[in-house]
Amino acid sequence: AQSVTQLDSQVPVFEEAPVELRCNYSSSVSVYLFWYVQYPNQGLQLLLKYLSGSTLVKGINGFEAEFNKSQTSFHLRKPSVHISDTAEYFCAVSDPRTGGFKTIFGAGTRLFVKA
Amino acid sequence: EAGVAQSPRYKIIEKRQSVAFWCNPISGHATLYWYQQILGQGPKLLIQFQNNGVVDDSQLPKDRFSAERLKGVDSTLKIQPAKLEDSAVYLCASSFGTSGTNEQFFGPGTRLTVL
Repeated sequence: AQSVTQLDSQVPVFEEAPVELRCNYSSSVSVYLFWYVQYPNQGLQLLLKYLSGSTLVKGINGFEAEFNKSQTSFHLRKPSVHISDTAEYFCAVSDPRTGGFKTIFGAGTRLFVKA
Repeated sequence: EAGVAQSPRYKIIEKRQSVAFWCNPISGHATLYWYQQILGQGPKLLIQFQNNGVVDDSQLPKDRFSAERLKGVDSTLKIQPAKLEDSAVYLCASSFGTSGTNEQFFGPGTRLTVL
């Protein structure tokens, strides 16, 4: 069965510093990959997604992610973070082999941006 | 465009009681999802509907959980009887298509506490 591992449960970082949130998934077959963000007291919203094509995907709020098939990774990056980026970030995989393209979420990484 | 609506936002019950949650997806969205998010974990898919048919309910504890999607629009999730381990946030999401490539739009969730 497909699984998603987010390697860091918490990432503290100073404002304007770069950040990378790591995500690995278990299967080497073609999957769809997503990053969702959950701001405090809000619902999850999509940051970006990879379906096919270019391995570098750009999303909202200056985030980008790189798909690496050989390493089964989809790490999220931002060159300079803001206080407002403090939130929980979830990596998710949708497996087209399952009838409903079942989505599996990682456990989340809490990004804490300090002034 | 109105988002995904859920009610109630909070619910506290005692074990062995029953509880029901309601979700109204975004108009025109074919796929509706119910997730369980336990504190410190990522969302776990309980059941997925496409229109009013069930596509995946492999992780739904069917001895106590039930769900229906009336006329392919809004949905209810019921727990009867509740156990302590059911304490979690129950998220409803919807997406326009059925291919797994579409963004899921999440509601604010219902926080259930079982005492």
